[in-house]
Amino acid sequence: QSALTQPASVSGSPGQSITISCTGTSSDVGSYNLVSWYQQHPGKAPKLMIYEGSKRPSGVSNRFSGSKSGNTASLTISGLQAEDEADYYCCSYAGSKVFGGGTKLTVL
Amino acid sequence: EVQLVESGGGVVRPGGSLRLSCAASGFTFDDYGMSWVRQAPGKGLEWVSGINWNGGSTGYADSVKGRFTISRDNAKNSLYLQMNSLRAEDTALYHCARDPGIAVAGPKMFDYWGQGTLVTVSS
Repeated sequence: QSALTQPASVSGSPGQSITISCTGTSSDVGSYNLVSWYQQHPGKAPKLMIYEGSKRPSGVSNRFSGSKSGNTASLTISGLQAEDEADYYCCSYAGSKVFGGGTKLTVL
Repeated sequence: EVQLVESGGGVVRPGGSLRLSCAASGFTFDDYGMSWVRQAPGKGLEWVSGINWNGGSTGYADSVKGRFTISRDNAKNSLYLQMNSLRAEDTALYHCARDPGIAVAGPKMFDYWGQGTLVTVSS
């Protein structure tokens, strides 16, 4: 199963909103609302930010939200903060578990 | 506090073997499925293998099928990954992750991760 497609990088200024896309196929992202998103700071373990498309685990800021349209899932971060600068990965849990290639978020 | 601590990584020659361990604490280990996820240097995440709560059901990525074996010892709160016939492309940081979604009704996510143990396959 091929990796999901994410942009290599996105950037935004503090206070702005950004959206990271994650494109799959009708067999994975499109068929089920089972995309999760992970934040990874350099040298750290990944952290779950969104699961099953739009659910937020306890303790994760409500500035993070998830959505889906067709074969593309999206992670939106509003009110961008310096600490949001990290790599972000999407993952489809449909059938075989497959990750996206990752997106580096830079806070300008 | 949930903690997952991996160990067992190291440098191994192509064709060699290695056994990784993951010590779990802070939760009832045998209530959860578990997975191994790897990350090649400077690259993205790749799911490697998963196991259900009692070891009765396992799954593998095509890239490691037939070479890697996942197992668990609930009495020791530990997860393992036996890696045989290692290749250069297996070089990566190997994370263990709690995987409640392996259960039919479990939420589909990896909700806790360890820091990882580095495996380097090189001659």
